[in-house]
Amino acid sequence: DAGVTQSPTHLIKTRGQQVTLRCSPKSGHDTVSWYQQALGQGPQFIFQYYEEEERQRGNFPDRFSGHQFPNYSSELNVNALLLGDSALYLCASSFIRFGGKLFFGSGTQLSVL
Amino acid sequence: SQQGEEDPQALSIQEGENATMNCSYKTSINNLQWYRQNSGRGLVHLILIRSNEREKHSGRLRVTLDTSKKSSSLLITASRAADTASYFCATDAKGGSNYKLTFGKGTLLTVNP
Repeated sequence: DAGVTQSPTHLIKTRGQQVTLRCSPKSGHDTVSWYQQALGQGPQFIFQYYEEEERQRGNFPDRFSGHQFPNYSSELNVNALLLGDSALYLCASSFIRFGGKLFFGSGTQLSVL
Repeated sequence: SQQGEEDPQALSIQEGENATMNCSYKTSINNLQWYRQNSGRGLVHLILIRSNEREKHSGRLRVTLDTSKKSSSLLITASRAADTASYFCATDAKGGSNYKLTFGKGTLLTVNP
């Protein structure tokens, strides 16, 4: 049983570019959340998707957007990249009825130069 | 903003000793969870305690919750070198989404063989 998978593992971009990160949830899970983790910090909630809609959003600008597909997989898009967007981006999935307990992927390390 | 704050920031012990980490938070919560992160990669869920529970056990883990003090502690008994990791507490706000977790900055635990 595959867990949460994220791609790519590492990514290097330059300021102003756009990036798309991908996530496949654990089998049987229907909700996906995205978190940003800066070096030495705890993860910060970006947004949550369920039934292909954004249900909750953290304190992130509109440059951060996402999508959930009918197969429950998800994408995180970041436009107009800033140096401060350099971080580990974590995807977490869960089954909506279980509530709260999240299963995390290994993350995508994004470096913005 | 980080709601949870773990204490201490770093802890170094010998194999076989017990490790205790503390977490404080600011607002009323539904649940408090503890996660482990190895080498800056994905987080692994350890235990969830609900706001109406005071203590919970899982294997070598013991978690306590004091909602009057807005604090929690994680005890790992008979520690092993494999327990070396960063440990984060995460809360979801009362009345909010179970998926919008607020993490602390974490405690880095080093268990020396």
